[in-house]
Amino acid sequence: GDSVTQTEGQVALSEEDFLTIHCNYSASGYPALFWYVQYPGEGPQFLFRASRDKEKGSSRGFEATYDKGTTSFHLRKASVQESDSAVYYCALGPSGYNKLTFGKGTVLLVSP
Amino acid sequence: EAAVTQSPRNKVAVTGGKVTLSCNQTNNHNNMYWYRQDTGHGLRLIHYSYGAGSTEKGDIPDGYKASRPSQENFSLILELATPSQTSVYFCASGDSSYEQYFGPGTRLTVL
Repeated sequence: GDSVTQTEGQVALSEEDFLTIHCNYSASGYPALFWYVQYPGEGPQFLFRASRDKEKGSSRGFEATYDKGTTSFHLRKASVQESDSAVYYCALGPSGYNKLTFGKGTVLLVSP
Repeated sequence: EAAVTQSPRNKVAVTGGKVTLSCNQTNNHNNMYWYRQDTGHGLRLIHYSYGAGSTEKGDIPDGYKASRPSQENFSLILELATPSQTSVYFCASGDSSYEQYFGPGTRLTVL
């Protein structure tokens, strides 16, 4: 079945550091790929999506590029802030179905 | 104003008891979802619905039932609660774009 693997369970950075959270997927065809963010005490919220090979999604300084060759959708940000501390989820939506498969999430801790 | 609300926000239940978690959305979305969130597992889909009167099994439906009596409401029912169902439960609504809007969550403890 479809699956999403996030390599890092937790990432600890200082403000202004560069962020990469790795996401790889396994699915047939061309699934849509997503990043969601969850702040403490809240439900997850949509960050951005990409639907085809080489498409870049971006929002709030975060970005990721759909790479079908490496089945990846890695999240990057050039300079993180303490307010970016949250849990980040990569997800995929198989074509033709309105449901998502989420990765296990990555906890990002940014210290001032 | 919050578009997806959940009640209760916190619930303590006894093993073998019946638990109903409720979700209401004002987004007028056809699709609604129930997830549970556990450390080390992330978000896992329990049940979902494409519209009033429909329910579908997600990835981990065992021990749970769902009910969608209207466009706005979607309930998750634990007929015989067990300690393994202690978790945080999230409801979400969505349309055909796949973007889902989540509620604030319900923390359920089964003793």
